[in-house]
Parts: sequence; C-alpha cells; structure tokens
Amino acid sequence: QVQLVQSGTEMKKPGASVNVSCKTSGYTFTSYPIHWVRQVPGQGLEWLGWINVGNGNTRYSNKLQGRLTITRDTSASTAYMELSSLRSEDTAVYYCATLASTTEFDHWGQGTLVTVSS
Amino acid sequence: DIVLTQSPATLSLSPGEGATLSCRASQSLGTYLAWYQQKPGQAPRLLIFDASNRATGIPARFSGSGSGTDFTLTISSLEPEDFAVYYCQQRSDWPPGGYTFGQGTKLELK
Repeated sequence: QVQLVQSGTEMKKPGASVNVSCKTSGYTFTSYPIHWVRQVPGQGLEWLGWINVGNGNTRYSNKLQGRLTITRDTSASTAYMELSSLRSEDTAVYYCATLASTTEFDHWGQGTLVTVSS
Repeated sequence: DIVLTQSPATLSLSPGEGATLSCRASQSLGTYLAWYQQKPGQAPRLLIFDASNRATGIPARFSGSGSGTDFTLTISSLEPEDFAVYYCQQRSDWPPGGYTFGQGTKLELK
C-alpha cells in the first residue's frame, strides 16, 4: 500500500533552519508530485509548495518564497523540505502529500510537528 | 494568488439532517476544486476531486457540484462520523502550479 512516512518532531530556535523528510513507498515515486502543507495548531491548512519529482521543478507559495526549499532523492524515494530563518509563527504540523489532481491519487504523511521557540 | 472563501465558518446540525457547504473562488477555476474532511489529530482525507468526482470509498451521501467560481459540498443525511472540519482546495492553471486551501467550515453537533 502507498505510504508516506515523515521524520520526527523538531524543536528549533528562531533564526535556525529545519529539514523534514518524507519517505515514500508503494508506488512509482517519479509518477506524482510531492506537496508540502502545514497547519498551525487549531488553524486551517496552508499549501507551501510542490516538487515535480520527475524533473525536480519546484513551485513555492508567495508567502514562503525565499525561505522554503523542496528537494527529492529519487534513488531513496524521498522528498525533503527545508525551511530557513524560522520564526515563532512557523510553529505548525508539516505534512507531505501527493494531492489529487486529475486523478484521485491523494496520500498524506503522518505530519511532523515543528516548534520554534527561544 | 487565488483566494478561496468558505461559508459558513461553522454549521451546527443534527444527525440525519442535510448539510450544504459553500466555497467561492476569487477567479475562475474551471472544475479544479477538491474537498477534504479533517478530524482532530488526523491528516485530511480526500472526499471529492475535480469538483464532482467522489473519491474511492467515500459514501454516496457526499456529493460535490459547481464550476467556475462557486462550488458546493452536500452531505445528504449526516452520520455521527461526519462532524469534522471541511476544506476546499484549488489547483490553478495560471500562474501554473499554484494551490490554495479555503479557511475551512466546522461542522458541529447541534
């Protein structure tokens, strides 16, 4: 079955960077893009960006452009998200997901809590 | 960026009643709209993709409609497990590759 397994909880200080990984299995990794979505506790979902896993092209939300980098390692079927210059308002659960488009191939990781605090 | 506005913010209903949730886009999406359900502590679950296509395993009481800028998720007869937060989500053609979520509608037990 399709699985997206994310790395564990992170605690960071303001100004630091965080890396979250998303290891996939059960499907052809290069066939679907990987998106990153976050959710501040008690609030709604925010789309952050995506990577075309086949060619490595990326697209980021205007809000995080310049601080967010999404990469992938096709040999490891794993996608990565790096968020730099962390602020307290970046405290959230970060999800990787395939997100449905013209097909219903929609699968989510379990989420990674990133806490930014001095 | 395309903005999605969901209404109402909260909907208080009882099991057996019908629910109508709205999502309005700031520009035309064609049918590039999905609906998700999220329960506390869980990742979102896809209900509807491309405005009206029910995802595999989703009960027939869930239906989606609309195109352009106005979309609706209808739950015909609420079951106890349907009380959750619902989000609409768009994928835009231009600028290409942009996605956004609505702010959510909380469906709560009356």
